[in-house]
Amino acid sequence: GQSLEQPSEVTAVEGAIVQINCTYQTSGFYGLSWYQQHDGGAPTFLSYNALDGLEETGRFSSFLSRSDSYGYLLLQELQMKDSASYFCAVRDGTGGFKTIFGAGTRLFVKA
Amino acid sequence: GAGVSQSPSNKVTEKGKDVELRCDPISGHTALYWYRQSLGQGLEFLIYFQGNSAPDKSGLPSDRFSAERTGGSVSTLTIQRTQQEDSAVYLCASSPGRRGGANVLTFGAGSRLTVL
Repeated sequence: GQSLEQPSEVTAVEGAIVQINCTYQTSGFYGLSWYQQHDGGAPTFLSYNALDGLEETGRFSSFLSRSDSYGYLLLQELQMKDSASYFCAVRDGTGGFKTIFGAGTRLFVKA
Repeated sequence: GAGVSQSPSNKVTEKGKDVELRCDPISGHTALYWYRQSLGQGLEFLIYFQGNSAPDKSGLPSDRFSAERTGGSVSTLTIQRTQQEDSAVYLCASSPGRRGGANVLTFGAGSRLTVL
């Protein structure tokens, strides 16, 4: 089966840097993705890592270590609008490459 | 279409009734997913369609749940004899499929189901 672990809540102040960790267990790993979801909204895609290392997209970066089954999302220069839930997700090679999500990390950004 | 469309956006039903939720994916996307999200919770995988392959139904919680996808496009999720624990937001997502952007899911706005 598949499982993903991420912290339930993280709090940080505006302008700071925050890291949201994700560990996973899956068969046939095909990449780690991150999604953002604001209250009442739909999840939106942020980033994807298939290979080890850091991917940077503006203020957001995502890291993957396949040997450790671990990744993280790094948010820099935090803004109030970054307050949202963040989900890591893996594509599982068993059963046709479906995408499975973690339980999500609620990020609270304080002024 | 330009995005993933879901209908109805809200559905209130009585316990024991059947409901149908519809998803119209992005044109050309071969992969289609259904997820369920309870208030403040994560996304629970329900079912996955990929092209003409047999769907992955491993996430359906009971035999009261079924889904079909007609013509490789529109999908309908049916919940029979609804129970109060079925109350949740049902999210549909589509992606280009196995190649090129397969890992990027685009979600619809969801259908909020309330079972009284």
